[in-house]
Amino acid sequence: EAQVTQNPRYLITVTGKKLTVTCSQNMNHEYMSWYRQDPGLGLRQIYYSMNVEVTDKGDVPEGYKVSRKEKRNFPLILESPSPNQTSLYFCASSLAYGGYEQYFGPGTRLTVT
Amino acid sequence: SQQGEEDPQALSIQEGENATMNCSYKTSINNLQWYRQNSGRGLVHLILIRSNEREKHSGRLRVTLDTSKKSSSLLITASRAADTASYFCATDPKGAQKLVFGQGTRLTINP
Repeated sequence: EAQVTQNPRYLITVTGKKLTVTCSQNMNHEYMSWYRQDPGLGLRQIYYSMNVEVTDKGDVPEGYKVSRKEKRNFPLILESPSPNQTSLYFCASSLAYGGYEQYFGPGTRLTVT
Repeated sequence: SQQGEEDPQALSIQEGENATMNCSYKTSINNLQWYRQNSGRGLVHLILIRSNEREKHSGRLRVTLDTSKKSSSLLITASRAADTASYFCATDPKGAQKLVFGQGTRLTINP
């Protein structure tokens, strides 16, 4: 089954404790992206990747890091989480950038206390 | 920065009625997409319309695009309870290499 998986689905952590949210897709997609969703603000892009070893900042990259060492995986790293990073996070992928639908993961609900 | 702005923010109608949601955007685009999100879950792609297209259909969905007015509309005909969800437009701005989502319209279908 074609899908985007994210782990963990739920996470409660404390300020400053490094964490990684994994994202994996099994569709051989080139383009992958991370979004955060907050009430009243819709989805905002954090980082995206056009292909392996090619990543770039989205609209709200501060406090986040990503890597794309393999085509299928695109982990999101929070080196020192803060309460303002409490949010619902989505990973998405598409065949390529431009004119293709994006497939979304189920989401990761992160709470930073 | 937010590109798409949906209107209305919330819409509540009776089952069987048609639902219309609108999206306005600011810059030139390559295409515009509509997505549905059931509460707290991942978004699901509904339809993509390219900048050189004016109207597109998919089942009970009809999407229009007016590039001169920088606006799009999503019409859901003969609504069902299962259509209750949030609907987002996403624009693909020229030269931006990303989709930009609006804040969404929360649609409630009352039985």
